Amino acid sequence: DQQVKQNSPSLSVQEGRISILNCDYTNSMFDYFLWYKKYPAEGPTFLISISSIKDKNEDGRFTVFLNKSAKHLSLHIVPSQPGDSAVYFCAASPYGGSQGNLIFGKGTKLSVKP
Amino acid sequence: KAGVTQTPRYLIKTRGQQVTLSCSPISGHRSVSWYQQTPGQGLQFLFEYFSETQRNKGNFPGRFSGRQFSNSRSEMNVSTLELGDSALYLCASSLDREFTGELFFGEGSRLTVL
Repeated sequence: DQQVKQNSPSLSVQEGRISILNCDYTNSMFDYFLWYKKYPAEGPTFLISISSIKDKNEDGRFTVFLNKSAKHLSLHIVPSQPGDSAVYFCAASPYGGSQGNLIFGKGTKLSVKP
Repeated sequence: KAGVTQTPRYLIKTRGQQVTLSCSPISGHRSVSWYQQTPGQGLQFLFEYFSETQRNKGNFPGRFSGRQFSNSRSEMNVSTLELGDSALYLCASSLDREFTGELFFGEGSRLTVL
């Protein structure tokens, strides 16, 4: 049973517009959430994270929102750029979990069209 | 600073064979994790090592094993290969001083089982 779900396998957005990537989780013991970005032929790279004590975290064009009651988080990219085209993975860690043991979703492929 | 290095990058094996993959973490990183990425399942956690000890293990059969050496380098082994083992195997390292969830991934070893 998947504990972290990314229900949209793909998303296409026009350059300059907002990209919203969604992620749902089932385990209420998760207390740390992350987004990773992956380009083809490269390993995933860390993008942004949020602790369960917060409901929003911003880093430049990237903002992650966490709704604990709905067990839902989203990544907003504003404005979207063609270089943002990649697969985005949502990941979670349970309370007391170790650094290297993350639970990943299946990913959403974002295409930003010029 | 050199990144995470994985070897070999590509390999082809036949069913029943065994394979060993190698990972050199970023200098100073003592935690090494392994993930399997397949198109249908996203990234799935295999195991995590810290100071030569397996700290966590994912839900994979005993054919999948690993180890970590005193210099933090890690290897994973898959015995009696099956067609379904075809995947990208990703290694990630981290500092592990305080929890950030930030893993540094290598480019992966692409295994094809025929």
